[in-house]
Amino acid sequence: GENVEQHPSTLSVQEGDSAVIKCTYSDSASNYFPWYKQELGKRPQLIIDIRSNVGEKKDQRIAVTLNKTAKHFSLHITETQPEDSAVYFCAASIGGSNYKLTFGKGTLLTVNP
Amino acid sequence: EAQVTQNPRYLITVTGKKLTVTCSQNMNHEYMSWYRQDPGLGLRQIYYSMNVEVTDKGDVPEGYKVSRKEKRNFPLILESPSPNQTSLYFCASRRGIAGGRTGELFFGEGSRLTVL
Repeated sequence: GENVEQHPSTLSVQEGDSAVIKCTYSDSASNYFPWYKQELGKRPQLIIDIRSNVGEKKDQRIAVTLNKTAKHFSLHITETQPEDSAVYFCAASIGGSNYKLTFGKGTLLTVNP
Repeated sequence: EAQVTQNPRYLITVTGKKLTVTCSQNMNHEYMSWYRQDPGLGLRQIYYSMNVEVTDKGDVPEGYKVSRKEKRNFPLILESPSPNQTSLYFCASRRGIAGGRTGELFFGEGSRLTVL
């Protein structure tokens, strides 16, 4: 089945620095790649997603890049703030069905004031 | 308010005692899914439903059952719970988009289950 590897598992940055989280996937048919943020004790919430026909997408301080040839995609957070501290999950659709998502194991991001 | 509601939020039970975790959404979403979250393992899909009476297995379906008799409800059933099913469970829903495109998953608040 689809395998999604996410790195790093933990990331600590100073406020104002940038943070980058990387994911690789195995299924060449995957075509949808969302990122979810989960604050402590809360539910996961979508922060940004990208489809396979696009190489990059931005939304204010966050951006996602996709390299379909290399089968990897990355989340970039600029000008990090303490409220960015959370667990971030990447995911990839399985095959072309888009009914199943495989999630990475998560990255705990800590932004130090 | 648009939401996905799970019950119970917390439950401690014993091995073998059947239990049901309910999930209800008020957004008229066609697609619903159950995930379990365990430390170091991320979110793993248990079962999903594309619409009423249509369900399919996710990555970790063993020991679970689901049903989708109504569009808004998607209960998760543990017929004979075991300690390895101790976990945090999330129900989620999204609208079914023509052409099979995915969209945002809306998660419930989670149900923390402990099986002794």
